[in-house]
Amino acid sequence: DVKVTQSSRYLVKRTGEKVFLECVQDMDHENMFWYRQDPGLGLRLIYFSYDVKMKEKGDIPEGYSVSREKKERFSLILESASTNQTSMYLCASSFPGIGATNEKLFFGSGTQLSVL
Amino acid sequence: RKEVEQDPGPFNVPEGATVAFNCTYSNSASQSFFWYRQDCRKEPKLLMSVYSSGNEDGRFTAQLNRASQYISLLIRDSKLSDSATYLCVVDPQGGYQKVTFGTGTKLQVIP
Repeated sequence: DVKVTQSSRYLVKRTGEKVFLECVQDMDHENMFWYRQDPGLGLRLIYFSYDVKMKEKGDIPEGYSVSREKKERFSLILESASTNQTSMYLCASSFPGIGATNEKLFFGSGTQLSVL
Repeated sequence: RKEVEQDPGPFNVPEGATVAFNCTYSNSASQSFFWYRQDCRKEPKLLMSVYSSGNEDGRFTAQLNRASQYISLLIRDSKLSDSATYLCVVDPQGGYQKVTFGTGTKLQVIP
């Protein structure tokens, strides 16, 4: 079974701290994604990566950066955490291409980040 | 108009009932469509893809209406275990690179 692992289930940080959220997948997927999920707003794409060292902005990249140095690992960085970044963060991965085998997103179990 | 719209519910239905959800999308050129299921405090998981010809998986039927730009999910003979939030997902370009999620429809199946 495909596994997408996020480093922390719950995280509490202070305003202004630098925060790293790590995500690792074990299925050699090219695509990896970071979403945040907020009540009433659904899942919103922050960044995605379709290859090592490649990244593309999603719908809400402001205040975030990402790093993909190895294919299996995709990190989300909050340079200076703010209270409006309190949210559930979900990492996902997928094979590329329409009609690809297993055409779906595999999600990690999420990190609930609270910024105080 | 939002890119993907769903009725948030909740839909409270008795066990054994049939329930249907719709989801409308604004981009007429969208390529692929999916329904995901998300249990409380869990990650979303793919329930089924939605094909132009419609598709069925056991008690679940998904349909696509391109002319009216909506997809639907029908659940027959509802079980308690069907209680979850159902997320509509639209992929404008295909390839799962910039999909858009609806905010979800909450279903509660009551004994």
